[in-house]
Amino acid sequence: GQNIDQPTEMTATEGAIVQINCTYQTSGFNGLFWYQQHAGEAPTFLSYNVLDGLEEKGRFSSFLSRSKGYSYLLLKELQMKDSASYLCAVINGDYKLSFGAGTTVTVRA
Amino acid sequence: IAGITQAPTSQILAAGRRMTLRCTQDMRHNAMYWYRQDLGLGLRLIHYSNTAGTTGKGEVPDGYSVSRANTDDFPLTLASAVPSQTSVYFCASSPAGSTDTQYFGPGTRLTVL
Repeated sequence: GQNIDQPTEMTATEGAIVQINCTYQTSGFNGLFWYQQHAGEAPTFLSYNVLDGLEEKGRFSSFLSRSKGYSYLLLKELQMKDSASYLCAVINGDYKLSFGAGTTVTVRA
Repeated sequence: IAGITQAPTSQILAAGRRMTLRCTQDMRHNAMYWYRQDLGLGLRLIHYSNTAGTTGKGEVPDGYSVSRANTDDFPLTLASAVPSQTSVYFCASSPAGSTDTQYFGPGTRLTVL
């Protein structure tokens, strides 16, 4: 089966930076997604990594190291609206997508 | 319709009853998916369809069935609901397969008593 681990909760201050780590052990690898989900709402796409390195998109960046089975999502200049759950999802060698349990980020003023 | 819709928004159901959750998309996406989301467990795939006329089993298919008669619709049926099926159900679609971004519907909150 797939094993995707991410912290359950993180708290940070408005304007700060938070890094959400995701480690995975899957049978093969064909890409990794990060989704954002506000409470009571549907998940929405943030980023997709398939090659090693950093992908930057405004205040959000996502990093992947395939050899380490590791990714992180970096949220900069935190805003109150960034309070949400962040879901790491991995595509295995059979092209099946599995989600981690999600990390709830709380931004405090 | 814009994007992907689900109905009903929420439902309370007696155990043993049959229930169909509806999902419709207007993006002409080939692939569609049904997930359930439970606290602490994240999203788990129930069934999927890579194209109209085909379906496949996901991680937790037992007690659920799906059909894909056309591109737009992907209903999920609980033949005989049980309390453990109490969950939030999300339908999603993507242009092709799993390497594409998935677009999620607003979800259906189902309570089985």
